Amino acid sequence: AIRMTQSPSSFSASTGDRVTITCRASQGISNSLAWYQQKPGKAPNLLIYSASTLQSGVPSRFSGSGSGTDFTLTISCLQSEDFATYYCQQYYSYPRTFGQGTKVEIK
Amino acid sequence: EVQLVESGGGLVQPGGSLRLSCAASGFTFSSYWLSWVRQAPGKGLEWVANVKQEGNEKYYVDSVKGRFTISRDNAKNSVYLQMNNLRAEDTAVYYCARDYMGRSEHWGQGTLVTVSS
Repeated sequence: AIRMTQSPSSFSASTGDRVTITCRASQGISNSLAWYQQKPGKAPNLLIYSASTLQSGVPSRFSGSGSGTDFTLTISCLQSEDFATYYCQQYYSYPRTFGQGTKVEIK
Repeated sequence: EVQLVESGGGLVQPGGSLRLSCAASGFTFSSYWLSWVRQAPGKGLEWVANVKQEGNEKYYVDSVKGRFTISRDNAKNSVYLQMNNLRAEDTAVYYCARDYMGRSEHWGQGTLVTVSS
């Protein structure tokens, strides 16, 4: 199985900050990568697919980049509603695998 | 509006069985892959299984192979997860999701499965 490793596992940030989360795959996955946001007690929400394509309805402050093994999710100007846990997922091969998650907390 | 509603969760003893259901509405059910993803309490997401539109192609994570079976009924707009020989480590919220080109675009609210004696 392809292992997905996110960093950092958690961090604190302030509203208005630019934040970046990284995701590394244990082998090349082309651009078959999605990012999800999850808030406590809620289902995950798809933010980005194909590594860099914004899902319909997702604010443009979210962006993704990368290909192969290294990927990033960037939030250009953190808003209060963005404090959540973020997961990357590869869908290049089976089994699908998620990163362990990155929790973004309020500083 | 796309809706996915899971049901069937509950408390079950180790070694027991449970069948989860996910009722879909708001889209052409037979046109999409469907997945089950779980989340143990306080832990991250784990993909469990998925099934192709016609139900003739299925994939599983290794930890559930031989114990769980995913199926679908396109006439009833429903997907199922039959879980046998349950273990404590299967305790989780189970989500069903509608997939498109590999990504999970829409998710249900989840159903909690607790495996405990």
